[in-house]
Parts: sequence; structure tokens; C-alpha cells
Amino acid sequence: AQTVTQSQPEMSVQEAETVTLSCTYDTSESDYYLFWYKQPPSRQMILVIRQEAYKQQNATENRFSVNFQKAAKSFSLKISDSQLGDAAMYFCAYRRGGETSGSRLTFGEGTQLTVNP
Amino acid sequence: DAGVTQSPTHLIKTRGQQVTLRCSPKSGHDTVSWYQQALGQGPQFIFQYYEEEERQRGNFPDRFSGHQFPNYSSELNVNALLLGDSALYLCASSLRSHSGNSPLHFGNGTRLTVT
Repeated sequence: AQTVTQSQPEMSVQEAETVTLSCTYDTSESDYYLFWYKQPPSRQMILVIRQEAYKQQNATENRFSVNFQKAAKSFSLKISDSQLGDAAMYFCAYRRGGETSGSRLTFGEGTQLTVNP
Repeated sequence: DAGVTQSPTHLIKTRGQQVTLRCSPKSGHDTVSWYQQALGQGPQFIFQYYEEEERQRGNFPDRFSGHQFPNYSSELNVNALLLGDSALYLCASSLRSHSGNSPLHFGNGTRLTVT
């Protein structure tokens, strides 16, 4: 079974600074996707960034980027120029590739990010 | 374009009762999945519905059941409620794809409290 581990229950960063959230995963599959989701107090899960395992290039979305180390099964999220609105719970998630994977995501335990003004 | 909508927002039930939660998927989506998120934890996959049938199921007992209607909306039913069923229940919708690459869109969830 696939597992996702986030070893940092809480992180804090100063506004405008950079922070990195860690995630490791375990799988025997070769075709899979990795995600970072943000969950603010509104409770809605919001997709931040996605990485396909077959792509060597790290995904980037504006101030958000990942460091995908496939051999090490590591998938960290870097937030640059942190803003107050980035404060939320962040979840790392895994999904097996292929049609039969459906919409089954495996989530980590989450990292609560605080942004200090 | 309405996103995923869930009702009710909050619900309080007594142990042993039954509850039904509802979800309308994002326009154009045909697949609905349900997740349970206990306080301070990551969401856990309950099951997925496509073409009105349960297609995948996580490690949840038969007390958890669901339904998908022809308009793709879905219900989650939980029977014989336990205190441990208290959680945030999230619905997610997507468009079924051969690659499994279709992104999930989540609703705001239903907060269920069992007393």
C-alpha cells in the first residue's frame, strides 16, 4: 500500500520569506502523480501544484515550486515570497496513474503553515 | 460555473442514528468520491462513484454506503453512527480519464458531530 509522510506538523515563515515543506512517499508503482493541496479555515481543499512521476522537470506554479526526487521518493514544496494568504494546512497527496486509479488520493498528515507579518 | 457543493454544512447526530450527506459535482464532472477527515488528520478515501456504481472503496465498514444519481450528484449514508464517525466529510468530483490525470475538485465539506 502507498503511504505519504509529512514529518513537519507545523512550520512558520516571515512574510516575504521562503519556506519549504517536506513530504516523502512509498510506492512500488512507476506511474503516479503527486500533489500539494492547501486547506484554509474555509475547509475547501485547493490544488496548489501537481507533478507527474514520468516528468523529470520540477513543476512550478508562480510562487510555488516542487523538488521532486524520484529515487529518494521525496516531494517537497517551496513557497517563495510568502504571503499572509498562504497560511493554511498543506497536504501532500499521491495518486496511482492509469484509468483504474480513479479518484483515490492518499494524503499525508498535513503541515500547518503560519505566516508572520 | 458552480464548483462542488455539499449539504448540509454542519450536522449533529446522536450515536446509533443514521445520516445522509449530499454532494453536487462541478459542472461537466461525472465522477464523485468521498473522503473522511478526522480532526488534525489528512483525508481518508471512503469510496468513488462513476456511472451510478461504486467503483473503488477504501477501508471503511459497510455502515458507510453511497449512491450516485443520473445527474451525477451523490449521497453518502452512514448507519449506526459511532462517536468515531465525527469528522469533516469531503466530496470531490472529477472527469473520468484513461490516464487517471483528471484533477479533483473538492467541496467545502460537511462537519458531522456525533454525540
